Amino acid sequence: AQSVSQHNHHVILSEAASLELGCNYSYGGTVNLFWYVQYPGQHLQLLLKYFSGDPLVKGIKGFEAEFIKSKFSFNLRKPSVQWSDTAEYFCAVNARGATNKLIFGTGTLLAVQP
Amino acid sequence: DAGVIQSPRHEVTEMGQEVTLRCKLISGHNSLFWYRQTMMRGLELLIYFNNNVPIDDSGMPEDRFSAKMPNASFSTLKIQPSEPRDSAVYFCASSPPPGGVGNEQFFGPGTRLTVL
Repeated sequence: AQSVSQHNHHVILSEAASLELGCNYSYGGTVNLFWYVQYPGQHLQLLLKYFSGDPLVKGIKGFEAEFIKSKFSFNLRKPSVQWSDTAEYFCAVNARGATNKLIFGTGTLLAVQP
Repeated sequence: DAGVIQSPRHEVTEMGQEVTLRCKLISGHNSLFWYRQTMMRGLELLIYFNNNVPIDDSGMPEDRFSAKMPNASFSTLKIQPSEPRDSAVYFCASSPPPGGVGNEQFFGPGTRLTVL
């Protein structure tokens, strides 16, 4: 069965600090990978996605993620966070061609202090 | 494009009452997902449909919950009778047919349900 692990449950950073959120998945086949963001009181919005090609994916608001197949990882990064990045971040994986279902991680709550 | 539309946005009801949540998919999308989000359990997939057919309802908590998709663009999630532990935010998401853009899910604004 597929699963997604987000090891950091709660991260607190100061503005301008660099961010890296971990995401590991378990599935032996080909995958599509996603990072979603949920700002306080809002719905989930797509930050970035990987389907194929360059494993370094750039998303909105300066976020990027790198797919490392050998490590089953898709970590999210941002070189300099802002207070407005305070949100919950969800990693998700889909088994390509097998199902439309996304398996979500438990989320990482990021608090950026001004 | 209006995005996924959910109604109502907020619902407060008393235990034992029937609750119906509604969702309108993005035009052209053919998959529909119902999620529930709580502090304790996080984001849970309840059920999903593909081309109006329920594919996986293993996340539906119990028989009090039912979901339908009477046509290609609309779905309902019904709770009857409702209980306080059903209090949560319920999200609906839709995705387009698989293809070059993959199967990204687009989320609606959610319905915040409070059962007293």
